[in-house]
Amino acid sequence: RKEVEQDPGPFNVPEGATVAFNCTYSNSASQSFFWYRQDCRKEPKLLMSVYSSGNEDGRFTAQLNRASQYISLLIRDSKLSDSATYLCVVNGDSGSARQLTFGSGTQLTVLP
Amino acid sequence: DGGITQSPKYLFRKEGQNVTLSCEQNLNHDAMYWYRQDPGQGLRLIYYSQIVNDFQKGDIAEGYSVSREKKESFPLTVTSAQKNPTAFYLCASSIIGRTEDYEQYFGPGTRLTVT
Repeated sequence: RKEVEQDPGPFNVPEGATVAFNCTYSNSASQSFFWYRQDCRKEPKLLMSVYSSGNEDGRFTAQLNRASQYISLLIRDSKLSDSATYLCVVNGDSGSARQLTFGSGTQLTVLP
Repeated sequence: DGGITQSPKYLFRKEGQNVTLSCEQNLNHDAMYWYRQDPGQGLRLIYYSQIVNDFQKGDIAEGYSVSREKKESFPLTVTSAQKNPTAFYLCASSIIGRTEDYEQYFGPGTRLTVT
């Protein structure tokens, strides 16, 4: 089983749609969770951290379910500029507190 | 502006040659990391360093080497022993502090092609 699993997509949605991504992680000791965004042929950039209570940043909402070990990202009123690959990221457990484990990413294309 | 720089953006090498990828940061971060990304795959950790003159192997260190002589610099050498070196290489850095301070900042990456 992969440490961090995501549906690779692609998700093709019309502009204005609401889209949700899920991610599951295998290490129950994980403490930190993130969503990164990666544009085509560019570096990943932090979109938002995911807190236990859930958090919202504008059109983006992230949720964490520790019992089921999954994380979700909801994008409302999607824009063309939201087209990217979304990476689910979890802190790893490989003997160092500083390691992150990246999912393979979910590709989103927002269509006009 | 603070940030991470990687050079060059594109690099082409012949099989059997060692090649060194540059990574410099002026964010005053203690920790630095090297990842590789292959098409359709997530990032995989090659090496990381939390302090000058110290570094640890990540998940796929074989065929790679690093040094950390200065806080700002963490060069990666792809040796001829690396069987599939063609990939997108990303350098990142982060602070070391509270448990929740895991955010990593990435450089623009180097695309290495070995033929």
